[in-house]
Amino acid sequence: ILNVEQSPQSLHVQEGDSTNFTCSFPSSNFYALHWYRWETAKSPEALFVMTLNGDEKKKGRISATLNTKEGYSYLYIKGSQPEDSATYLCAFSGNDYKLSFGAGTTVTVRA
Amino acid sequence: DTGVSQNPRHKITKRGQNVTFRCDPISEHNRLYWYRQTLGQGPEFLTYFQNEAQLEKSRLLSDRFSAERPKGSFSTLEIQRTEQGDSAMYLCASKGDSANSPLHFGNGTRLTVT
Repeated sequence: ILNVEQSPQSLHVQEGDSTNFTCSFPSSNFYALHWYRWETAKSPEALFVMTLNGDEKKKGRISATLNTKEGYSYLYIKGSQPEDSATYLCAFSGNDYKLSFGAGTTVTVRA
Repeated sequence: DTGVSQNPRHKITKRGQNVTFRCDPISEHNRLYWYRQTLGQGPEFLTYFQNEAQLEKSRLLSDRFSAERPKGSFSTLEIQRTEQGDSAMYLCASKGDSANSPLHFGNGTRLTVT
């Protein structure tokens, strides 16, 4: 069983503040690292798929970095807004193409 | 692209009954995944397919769970002799073959076993 760990489990952010959280994954047999946003009563929605060590991706105020050698990825939210409130999931894919998810980080942005 | 479709959206069944869920992936996607999600947890991997071939099934799954993807199109997930612990959201997702291709999720099937 692959260990994909996300921390913290939850966090509260004041509107306008920036925040970040972590996904750690096995550093061997790396193929891809995915980030998804999951809002209540909706399906998980893809944010980023990263495949190269040192990759940095950005989508609006959200960005992500990847370190495959040490097995971690950070997701950053700049200037948090209430609509950023959601659970953020990361998923690790090894060479077998299986995608294993972490438990998620639930972000609540307070107005 | 009509997205990934799952049916039914909700299923309530009595313990001991069999249930079957269906997933219609995005038509050009070769890879199809099934996950189970319970409250406070991330999606738990169940099984996945490349075309019609089932490549892996979670060791956590009992023999009561089976999945098929005939002809590499839609997929079905069957749970036999349901137990209360099977109550969960069952998610299906599909993706293309490239490493950069993300998962596209359906809306899920919420199973309640009474």
